[in-house]
Amino acid sequence: EAGVAQSPRYKIIEKRQSVAFWCNPISGHATLYWYQQILGQGPKLLIQFQNNGVVDDSQLPKDRFSAERLKGVDSTLKIQPAKLEDSAVYLCASSPGPEGQPQHFGDGTRLSIL
Amino acid sequence: SQQGEEDPQALSIQEGENATMNCSYKTSINNLQWYRQNSGRGLVHLILIRSNEREKHSGRLRVTLDTSKKSSSLLITASRAADTASYFCATAPSGNTPLVFGKGTRLSVIA
Repeated sequence: EAGVAQSPRYKIIEKRQSVAFWCNPISGHATLYWYQQILGQGPKLLIQFQNNGVVDDSQLPKDRFSAERLKGVDSTLKIQPAKLEDSAVYLCASSPGPEGQPQHFGDGTRLSIL
Repeated sequence: SQQGEEDPQALSIQEGENATMNCSYKTSINNLQWYRQNSGRGLVHLILIRSNEREKHSGRLRVTLDTSKKSSSLLITASRAADTASYFCATAPSGNTPLVFGKGTRLSVIA
């Protein structure tokens, strides 16, 4: 089966600019996750979708981050405006169903803020 | 917040040796999972152990879980250079809450 697809792989922007990331999960996976991974740390959950509804966005900085999953398939994550501390790898993952199941990860988008 | 804490933070061994990584966590869990991440890539699921299991094997991997001590260990036997990666434990807390990842152990296997 095809894996989780993410684009772009790399992005360099200046602070205060906006950026968007795209994720296509594994076909049939109802649950989609966005994580932020800062260098040297583990992934931190930003938002979790079940189909096209938000299950958990408690750690999403809602003043600057937004995410949507239209039609319960693809998802986009947006940052506007970006801050220096947003430099990180943004990982998308999917799983067939509820929490606790193994997750399948894409290779991420490496974001650098200048 | 990161519930799982891996130990050691970094580990360097010779090819053919065994590598052991430990994970401690704080709250009750439904299961605990181990993932591998190669440099510049996403995480890959390795193994899942449920709270009522004590040991599980998959190929060269052996995972143990001690819920009384809230700890788990991952043993990689007969390591290879290709095992060089970061290894993360992730806990699935009881209740309907998402996985929580630790900070990881960086394993270097020297040929």
